[in-house]
Amino acid sequence: GAVVSQHPSWVICKSGTSVKIECRSLDFQATTMFWYRQFPKQSLMLMATSNEGSKATYEQGVEKDKFLINHASLTLSTLTVTSAHPEDSSFYICSALGTGNTGELFFGEGSRLTVL
Amino acid sequence: GEDVEQSLFLSVREGDSSVINCTYTDSSSTYLYWYKQEPGAGLQLLTYIFSNMDMKQDQRLTVLLNKKDKHLSLRIADTQTGDSAIYFCAEKAGGGNKLTFGTGTQLKVEL
Repeated sequence: GAVVSQHPSWVICKSGTSVKIECRSLDFQATTMFWYRQFPKQSLMLMATSNEGSKATYEQGVEKDKFLINHASLTLSTLTVTSAHPEDSSFYICSALGTGNTGELFFGEGSRLTVL
Repeated sequence: GEDVEQSLFLSVREGDSSVINCTYTDSSSTYLYWYKQEPGAGLQLLTYIFSNMDMKQDQRLTVLLNKKDKHLSLRIADTQTGDSAIYFCAEKAGGGNKLTFGTGTQLKVEL
C-alpha cells in the first residue's frame, strides 16, 4: 500500500520557538493532504486541507497564522507551528489522499510535539 | 452537521468476537471507513464500505451498514491480543474528500 512518512516523530521545544513537521508521500503523488491534531484519548480534529500549489483551507477555529501549511510539491506538505506555547503540545497527524476512486486516506505515523 | 459517535471502551477475551459500533448523522455519506490506531502511531485503514452496500467481509473483519438507522459496525472474529488498539469509524460525505472521525473505541483484549 501507499506510504506516508512524517518527520520528526517526536519533538520537544521551548515556548516561543517555531517547529516544522514534514509529511511526505513516499510512493505516490498527493495533490491533497490533511493535517489533524489529536489530544490524548480523543478523536482526530481536522485542522486544515493542504492543496499542492495553492493555499491551505483551514477549519473553523484554527489560526492560519499560527499553523502555517505549505504544500510546495506533490509529495511534501509541511506544518509549521509558529511561536509555540505549551497548549500547542499535541499529537499531529497528516494524511494524504490516494489516487484511487475510493477516497482512501493514507496516514503518517504522527508527530508528538511537546512545548516546554 | 456531521456527528459520528462510538462507545468509548470494549473489553473482550481472546478468541471471542468483538463488535464495535458507530452511529452517524449525515445521510449523504458516500464511504464509511474503519481505522485502527495503536499507541503513539498513526491510523491504519482496516476496511471501508460504500454506502450502497449492506455488508463487507474481509478475512476476520465484517462490516455491517444499516443506512436507514445510520449505524455502522465492525466485527472482528477470533479477536487476538494484537487487536488491542483504538478503532475509529469515519465517514466521507458530500462531494469532498474530508473525513469526519468518530470518537474512537478502545478495544482491550484479555487473555
